[in-house]
Amino acid sequence: SAVISQKPSRDICQRGTSLTIQCQVDSQVTMMFWYRQQPGQSLTLIATANQGSEATYESGFVIDKFPISRPNLTFSTLTVSNMSPEDSSIYLCSVGSGQGAQTQYFGPGTRLLVL
Amino acid sequence: KNQVEQSPQSLIILEGKNCTLQCNYTVSPFSNLRWYKQDTGRGPVSLTIMTFSENTKSNGRYTATLDADTKQSSLHITASQLSDSASYICVVTGGGNKLTFGTGTQLKVEL
Repeated sequence: SAVISQKPSRDICQRGTSLTIQCQVDSQVTMMFWYRQQPGQSLTLIATANQGSEATYESGFVIDKFPISRPNLTFSTLTVSNMSPEDSSIYLCSVGSGQGAQTQYFGPGTRLLVL
Repeated sequence: KNQVEQSPQSLIILEGKNCTLQCNYTVSPFSNLRWYKQDTGRGPVSLTIMTFSENTKSNGRYTATLDADTKQSSLHITASQLSDSASYICVVTGGGNKLTFGTGTQLKVEL
């Protein structure tokens, strides 16, 4: 199994600011994903982080709001830009050989509160 | 529209008792179904995964069942422990390896 760490584990931010979340995996993985889990709701896929190319965003999520980097096969960042209270959520990094693949693992999450 | 519905929304049981969580889905085509356990403040951890041809899968005290005809799954927890207190999420993989997540059942095990 893959060991995934995220930084920060939690943060409280002011509206209008930006926060960058880091995801580090202990081994090279083919695919990395970023999810959002709003209070009381299920996980929602934000985007697939592609190594060496632009991320693939799901409907409702745009690069200007959630820029993603993936410089190598073990690391990715998600930035939540120009934050508003509606961005308060848990952000989760996930890795696997493919979304829905037999092996897909989740990081511990970053709990974000925007005031 | 692909959907995964879980019931009950929340559940409180006494330590040592058994419980069953339900998952109904409308995802099509179907690839696999997973149950995850998510402790508070942590990421989801996979408990079981079942493909179309499997109708039961066990992982210790956790036993998942799948009825692909009725599109229903259940997760049975036997001899519950305090550490079982968590959110249990049903996730169905459909066409294009797209995941559809349920909203989870919040389980609390009390003394």
